[in-house]
Amino acid sequence: EVQLVESGGGLVQPGGSLRLSCAASGFTFRSYWMHWVRQAPGKGLVWVSRISSDGSSTTYADSVKGRFTISRDTAKNTVYLQMNSLRAEDTAVYYCARDYSNYFDFWGQGTLVTVSS
Amino acid sequence: DIQMTQSPSIQSASVGDRVTITCRASQSISTWLAWYQQKPGKAPKLLIYKASTLESGVPSRFSGSGSGTEFTLTISSLQPDDFATYYCQQYDSYYSFGQGTKLEIK
Repeated sequence: EVQLVESGGGLVQPGGSLRLSCAASGFTFRSYWMHWVRQAPGKGLVWVSRISSDGSSTTYADSVKGRFTISRDTAKNTVYLQMNSLRAEDTAVYYCARDYSNYFDFWGQGTLVTVSS
Repeated sequence: DIQMTQSPSIQSASVGDRVTITCRASQSISTWLAWYQQKPGKAPKLLIYKASTLESGVPSRFSGSGSGTEFTLTISSLQPDDFATYYCQQYDSYYSFGQGTKLEIK
């Protein structure tokens, strides 16, 4: 059974940093691109970032470029999102999702990030 | 960037109704479109990909159609479990989602 379990969310002050993790199981992790998608409270889904199956290629939404870094550890079957210089508008539930031919076939349960003083 | 616009934003319907949700892309995306269902406090669930292909395990009352810039998601006979928010997503050029359509009980 495919499982994606996010962790690492919490309350952080503006300008602070946080690292999210997404632990994958039930599939061959090294074969899939992975994504982060976020959802602000009461709002819609917004794509954040993606990483290739081998970790050599990364892409970011303009809103997070230069502040967020996606990475993966194949030995740990985990994808990460390092978030720096956090702003109030980064407050959201962050989901990791598996890429299957560019659409997202499995999603984690999400982890809430709150940026507030 | 490709903008996705769904209509309506909110739809009231009853069990047994036939419901159609529309999604329009700001430029042609061929059939690179997916539909997701999301219930409160839960992760989105894939329903349809490539505009009209039903994901495994999704009930056949769900169907998708369209190409280019206009797409529809149809639920042929609403069931109680279908009251949720639905999102379209294009994956022709990076990724963007519609703003969502909340399907509520009339």
